[in-house]
Formats: sequence, C-alpha cells, structure tokens
Amino acid sequence: DTAVSQTPKYLVTQMGNDKSIKCEQNLGHDTMYWYKQDSKKFLKIMFSYNNKELIINETVPNRFSPKSPDKAHLNLHINSLELGDSAVYFCASSQGLAVSETQYFGPGTRLLVL
Amino acid sequence: GESVGLHLPTLSVQEGDNSIINCAYSNSASDYFIWYKQESGKGPQFIIDIRSNMDKRQGQRVTVLLNKTVKHLSLQIAATQPGDSAVYFCAEEVAGYSTLTFGKGTMLLVSP
Repeated sequence: DTAVSQTPKYLVTQMGNDKSIKCEQNLGHDTMYWYKQDSKKFLKIMFSYNNKELIINETVPNRFSPKSPDKAHLNLHINSLELGDSAVYFCASSQGLAVSETQYFGPGTRLLVL
Repeated sequence: GESVGLHLPTLSVQEGDNSIINCAYSNSASDYFIWYKQESGKGPQFIIDIRSNMDKRQGQRVTVLLNKTVKHLSLQIAATQPGDSAVYFCAEEVAGYSTLTFGKGTMLLVSP
C-alpha cells in the first residue's frame, strides 16, 4: 500500500490556468508538507500543516493555497499559473512537527506550464 | 572521480567501491542533519540522521560523519551497489525552527 500518494503524477497546462494537486497519506501522521523541486533538483519547503492547521508558509506567492480537509489530506491549489511554477511538487508527511520525525515523501507531481 | 555536471555535482564509482558524498552547511546553529536518497522519478527517502552532539553515526552500509568545526557533513556508503545510484541530499535543521533546509544534492552513478 502506498504511504503517501499524490495525484496527478503529471500535469501539463497553459499559463494563466488554475490547477490543483492532491495528496493523501495513510500513515496516520499528524503533519503534512508541500515541497517544490526545481529543474536543478533544489528542494524547498513551501507549507506545513499540523492537524489541519497551517504551521509554515515559506514566503510562497498567494497564488498557492493549500487546503487540508482532514489530517490525512493536504491539497495544493495554484491560481493563475506562471511559467516559473514548472517544477516537481512533493507532498510529505511525518508523525509530528519535530524535524527529527522522519518525513515520508510522495512520488511527486510533475507540473509543466506552457 | 567527482565533477560538477550541468546541474549537480556527480560522483561516479564502480560497483563494490566505497563512496563518500560530501555536504557543506552554512548555519552554525544547525543541530540536526539528515541524508536523503532520491531515485529517478521518485520522492526523497530518509537514509540516516545525526544530531550535533555526535560526530559519527552508522547504519546498514552507511555512515554519516559530522565535523562541526568546518560545518561539513559526509555520507559514506560501503560496497556501493548499482541500486545506490541516485541523487543524495543533505538537510539541516536550525534549533527551534521546524523546517529542514536541503542542500544542493549530489548525483551518485554506480557502474556494474
């Protein structure tokens, strides 16, 4: 069984569109994250949620809006997509907020904005 | 040998060799460090971690060394196998901040 799953795996869209990426974890974890990995493989945290509450927002444009309907799900909605949004987006989860809690990553969503 | 590729530093080794991947961190306040492995097309996977009160930690075929004096972290992989081919990232946490800062990544290529 997949621990952290994301849909879709690939997303190709036009500039200006709005799109959503979904993430689900079946590990019973309290904390979930979104990361962005650029073309140079640089991985940077965007958001973290703990028990459905936003904990970290790392100066991400407000075109990005995470939503956590329950602690097993953390979705990412992106408005008015720009070329620079092209990247791989990873969802992750951990038991709790402490960084020493191992983070488990999903397989990634490859977003290409044309 | 080790070289800087188009995007990532790359380390090429032969199967059975020992590999050493290095990472320099910038924040002397960092007190927790992790190594992640990312295979092609997959998400990062936890390998091993170390706290700043230690200078060495061993796992199965992997050893992490921490030198706080020069802010340097290394991952040693013994008897490297083709399945070890991946991009390896170090990540650090600054005490009191609940976020990980990832390093640039090093690509390890293992030839049979």
